[in-house]
Amino acid sequence: KAGVTQTPRYLIKTRGQQVTLSCSPISGHRSVSWYQQTPGQGLQFLFEYFSETQRNKGNFPGRFSGRQFSNSRSEMNVSTLELGDSALYLCASSPEGDGTDTQYFGPGTRLTVL
Amino acid sequence: QKEVEQNSGPLSVPEGAIASLNCTYSDRGSQSFFWYRQYSGKSPELIMSIYSNGDKEDGRFTAQLNKASQYVSLLIRDSQPSDSATYLCAVNGFSGGYNKLIFGAGTRLAVHP
Repeated sequence: KAGVTQTPRYLIKTRGQQVTLSCSPISGHRSVSWYQQTPGQGLQFLFEYFSETQRNKGNFPGRFSGRQFSNSRSEMNVSTLELGDSALYLCASSPEGDGTDTQYFGPGTRLTVL
Repeated sequence: QKEVEQNSGPLSVPEGAIASLNCTYSDRGSQSFFWYRQYSGKSPELIMSIYSNGDKEDGRFTAQLNKASQYVSLLIRDSQPSDSATYLCAVNGFSGGYNKLIFGAGTRLAVHP
């Protein structure tokens, strides 16, 4: 099976802009989670989607949002970008997201905010 | 107290030695525990998952879980230079919601020839 794919791989934006990142999970996986990784804060959970519903959300401002489509593909959006949003954004998929599933990570999107 | 704690390292071991990586967690309701390896500039890849108390072995890797002590460890036998990476301990925050992995800060492992 093909792994988790994320597009784009690299992105450069300026403060105040918005950005949309895309994630295609492993075929058959219905749960998609998003994480932010920075040198200072490490890997932090953003949100998790299952069957087009957000089931859990991390401690991030409302500028961070996401959605999931009927084919399980997911997008996350960051509006009004700040310098501190520069990070590696990782998407992970798992079959059912029942808490015991293994999450498999995509290659990530590296976002740089200037 | 951080939810998942790991020594940041670096942990330096000679080639062929056993590397021992440790992790403690605070949520007693946690059900699932994972070790991921992350090479610089890459995304995390799963090494081991463990759900029950005791040891779980897979090749050169052994994960150990002690829920009473809220402790997870990873042993790497016959360490190779290619094992040099950051090892992330992750706990599924079951009581906090589905599929919410809480990560430690990671331990950098350096295996020198």
